[in-house]
Amino acid sequence: GAVVSQHPSWVICKSGTSVKIECRSLDFQATTMFWYRQFPKQSLMLMATSNEGSKATYEQGVEKDKFLINHASLTLSTLTVTSAHPEDSSFYICSARVGMQQPQHFGDGTRLSIL
Amino acid sequence: GESVGLHLPTLSVQEGDNSIINCAYSNSASDYFIWYKQESGKGPQFIIDIRSNMDKRQGQRVTVLLNKTVKHLSLQIAATQPGDSAVYFCAENKGNQGGKLIFGQGTELSVKP
Repeated sequence: GAVVSQHPSWVICKSGTSVKIECRSLDFQATTMFWYRQFPKQSLMLMATSNEGSKATYEQGVEKDKFLINHASLTLSTLTVTSAHPEDSSFYICSARVGMQQPQHFGDGTRLSIL
Repeated sequence: GESVGLHLPTLSVQEGDNSIINCAYSNSASDYFIWYKQESGKGPQFIIDIRSNMDKRQGQRVTVLLNKTVKHLSLQIAATQPGDSAVYFCAENKGNQGGKLIFGQGTELSVKP
């Protein structure tokens, strides 16, 4: 149980394009989902907290207009990287949880490469 | 600032030996901790968790110990196998901030056959 699916797993695109990443909880409903960014050999950095039916809460230093988050249902959250540039290249990972003191379950990440 | 850190960035063990991965945290108000395993190119995988009202919790081949006095957390893996090779992260659940997870820097465990 507690499976989180993330799609796509790998994206290569040109600078200036927008990329949408989907995160789905397959066998549970998630009122809260999280988006992280991870650079090679580094830890996970929380970008934003996504709550179903409300605006996402962004961490300090994360541009909300750059990283658009939508959590339209209890099983789906999307992250759109708008006008992506090479510095946005990274490994993006989502997670979902059932409740407050429950573990977050992670997707397998999306490797984004901007040329 | 608040942080969760690890003492050892790398750990190399012989197959069959026990592994111990340590973690220090700084927020004494944190009441829930989680260990994750991350294999190359994948997302973190939940291993085991522990709440602050416990000192020890055991799973299959894994044990988590929590010492609130010194704000220290450890993960013990018994009879380490090559499949255990990965990066291990401890994470502190910040209940007073919507349950955000603060991850430690990670320890890379390498198991030699």
